Amino acid sequence: GAVVSQHPSRVICKSGTSVKIECRSLDFQATTMFWYRQFPKKSLMLMATSNEGSKATYEQGVEKDKFLINHASLTLSTLTVTSAHPEDSSFYICSASLQGHEQYFGPGTRLTVT
Amino acid sequence: AQSVTQLDSHVSVSEGTPVLLRCNYSSSYSPSLFWYVQHPNKGLQLLLKYTSAATLVKGINGFEAEFKKSETSFHLTKPSAHMSDAAEYFCVVSFGGFKTIFGAGTRLFVKA
Repeated sequence: GAVVSQHPSRVICKSGTSVKIECRSLDFQATTMFWYRQFPKKSLMLMATSNEGSKATYEQGVEKDKFLINHASLTLSTLTVTSAHPEDSSFYICSASLQGHEQYFGPGTRLTVT
Repeated sequence: AQSVTQLDSHVSVSEGTPVLLRCNYSSSYSPSLFWYVQHPNKGLQLLLKYTSAATLVKGINGFEAEFKKSETSFHLTKPSAHMSDAAEYFCVVSFGGFKTIFGAGTRLFVKA
């Protein structure tokens, strides 16, 4: 149980375009979902926390207008990188949590902006 | 302030020898502690977790960790390393189930 999926696993987009990444909890309802970014050979950096039906809470230094997060249902959260630039290239990982219990991580999405 | 420190950025062991990955934390609250493993270009897999029950926690793949409150440590150990254990390991501290802090990670190399 407690499986989290992400789609796509890899995406390449051109500078200036937007790309959407989906995070789904497959076998449980996630009251909270988290989005992380991981730079090469680095640890995970929390970008934002989203609760179903409410606005996401962004960590300091993360541009909320650039990284749009929507948590429309208890099983789906999306991260949209708007007007992507090459420096946005990274590994994005989501996680889902049920009422403050442990987080279950998705497999990650590798974004490359050309 | 809450923080987590992984004391070694990389550890190299020979196959069949013990593994020790060190983690210290700082917390004003009673934390939950986790160890995750990440293989290249993959997501995170939970190895084990401590949530105020037994201080010696057994996880998957023969890993275990001991919570030592007096030393604020949660070191990860395995008696005998396998080649497949080569990966990045993260010590994670969670407070109140929401605020989560990742350690910087320890890269484990296993030599044949």
